[in-house]
Amino acid sequence: NAGVTQTPKFQVLKTGQSMTLQCAQDMNHEYMSWYRQDPGMGLRLIHYSVGAGITDQGEVPNGYNVSRSTTEDFPLRLLSAAPSQTSVYFCASSYSRTGGGIGEKLFFGSGTQLSVL
Amino acid sequence: DAKTTQPPSMDCAEGRAANLPCNHSTISGNEYVYWYRQIHSQGPQYIIHGLKNNETNEMASLIITEDRKSSTLILPHATLRDTAVYYCIVRVGGATNKLIFGTGTLLAVQP
Repeated sequence: NAGVTQTPKFQVLKTGQSMTLQCAQDMNHEYMSWYRQDPGMGLRLIHYSVGAGITDQGEVPNGYNVSRSTTEDFPLRLLSAAPSQTSVYFCASSYSRTGGGIGEKLFFGSGTQLSVL
Repeated sequence: DAKTTQPPSMDCAEGRAANLPCNHSTISGNEYVYWYRQIHSQGPQYIIHGLKNNETNEMASLIITEDRKSSTLILPHATLRDTAVYYCIVRVGGATNKLIFGTGTLLAVQP
């Protein structure tokens, strides 16, 4: 298994450009989520999904869109990039939407470093 | 979900036990304690979690006080590779998996 795969690893955008950060997992996990990490602020939850066709907002959803058309993929879209979205983005997944025991173990990707100029 | 408090940084000598504290005085009866760590520029890694009883796995031990208001993560023999930010998280089990990370403790293992 490849686990959680994020692409690209690095990206530079100009203000106002759009792009999609890709996240795929091959573990048949129901739950997937996106976090952003800024210096000194830990990780903050952007959006999450408990299964195909179901998404919900986290702590900091503004400026980001998500969709979950398949179990494997959970792309994060920036429609009009802003310098405030410069950050490292992590995708994470886990087996069970309802949690409990081993089901709540989150697996993280290696991150995408995004700079918006 | 209950809020957690961790020291911002700690040092530990290589080969010694590292004891990382976490306060969660407002924890509810159905909230679990989770620990993750993040080695520089990598994605966070799950370590251990528990509800009431102490837990041990191949990575660490988790000691939860009887009143559940605090816990300690123990790395029994710290190595340089254990230098990382350690996150203590408290949340309800059985609901959507929506872990909220704080700023954690930076553990620096010294040679």
